[in-house]
Amino acid sequence: SYGLTQPPSVSVSPGQTATITCSGDALPKRYAFWYQQRSGQAPVLVIYEDRKRPSGIPERFSGSSSGTVATLTITGAQVEDEADYYCYSTDSSDNNWVFGGGTKLTVL
Amino acid sequence: QVQLQESGPGLVKPSETLSLTCTVSGDSVSNYYWSWIRQPPGKGLEWLGYIYYTGNTKYNPSLKSRAAMSVDTSKNQFSLTLTSVTAADTAVYFCARVLRERSTVTANYFYYYMDVWGKGTSVTVSS
Repeated sequence: SYGLTQPPSVSVSPGQTATITCSGDALPKRYAFWYQQRSGQAPVLVIYEDRKRPSGIPERFSGSSSGTVATLTITGAQVEDEADYYCYSTDSSDNNWVFGGGTKLTVL
Repeated sequence: QVQLQESGPGLVKPSETLSLTCTVSGDSVSNYYWSWIRQPPGKGLEWLGYIYYTGNTKYNPSLKSRAAMSVDTSKNQFSLTLTSVTAADTAVYFCARVLRERSTVTANYFYYYMDVWGKGTSVTVSS
């Protein structure tokens, strides 16, 4: 079955740039979406359609996609950005809607 | 502003049926697609399926026909049932609104994603 691959963890100091990748064979033809999940809370959409930011999401969050890799970048990460981040997309037939395994971002 | 609230029993016995309901406020359940997603303790997110108010559904193939979803437009709710549950079905279950958008690149192609989520409800499968 189709899968999206993320690194299990990323660690940065406050003010640094955090980069989280998501690899999937169908990403050249399918959008990637990114969700932030703080501990004990529901996921929140932070990036949609590869690079768009929903209203209310800080500008330091940005997304890009090239080939089979989508990337979430947090420029000037803050302590409050510490969370799990999940990418989401579908396979080329759109029959499987999948999340990546998640990346735990530590900011300290 | 749309809000979603999951409800259902927190404990289900093995081999029995899990039933959850999501109550939608701030919008009509007839206007969108809706999904269920779950998250086992300490693990990642798993999409379970979606439903449209017409009854159109799609399920995660990994559920092997154990899942069924329905919509009650009179109560502005949608529901999930999962049969023959095992300990592997222990998870926090989230309901979410699904946006269906037309591609500006590929003709007649629509893509789907979840934009608003409920807070989730914890379900434990144990005797």
